[in-house]
Amino acid sequence: AQTVTQSQPEMSVQEAETVTLSCTYDTSESNYYLFWYKQPPSRQMILVIRQEAYKQQNATENRFSVNFQKAAKSFSLKISDSQLGDTAMYFCAFMPYSGGGADGLTFGKGTHLIIQP
Amino acid sequence: DVKVTQSSRYLVKRTGEKVFLECVQDMDHENMFWYRQDPGLGLRLIYFSYDVKMKEKGDIPEGYSVSREKKERFSLILESASTNQTSMYLCASSSTLQPQHFGDGTRLSIL
Repeated sequence: AQTVTQSQPEMSVQEAETVTLSCTYDTSESNYYLFWYKQPPSRQMILVIRQEAYKQQNATENRFSVNFQKAAKSFSLKISDSQLGDTAMYFCAFMPYSGGGADGLTFGKGTHLIIQP
Repeated sequence: DVKVTQSSRYLVKRTGEKVFLECVQDMDHENMFWYRQDPGLGLRLIYFSYDVKMKEKGDIPEGYSVSREKKERFSLILESASTNQTSMYLCASSSTLQPQHFGDGTRLSIL
């Protein structure tokens, strides 16, 4: 079994600032995916970014990037030039290769990010 | 674009009632999931299915059952609703080794 820990229940930053959300995980799997999902007040869970564990290069998607440290089992999300629309709950999630993803994701408890104008 | 549709956005039921939550996906995904979301607890997996008529228990299956008679539809059933099942319920679907796509959620209140 795996666990995912998000140690920051809530964070607040000013618009245009850079913010980093933390995520650590524990697993005995060697091959896996890691995800960051965003859940705005509208409730729709949206995939922000994903990282394959076998790739050493950190994933980036526009203003969103990750710092993936496999040995430390750390997977933080950096949001650059934050915008009001980034206000949301952010969830870190883990998926092992074994099972092909058929047996679900393991989620952290989430970080509520507030972008202040 | 993948569409996962949950039948109700809000639902109010009484204790002891049998409750059905329906989920339909339009992308021919083999995998479907039901999660429960509670403040401070994140998302917890209730049941999942990797094929028609196949179902597996997740982390918190007690008090719930599921049905998957067609590939596109995955139903969550509360056999006898209780107040501790008041929660947000999220359905998701995926294909092999791909990210999950989520519905908008059903906020269920049991009175």
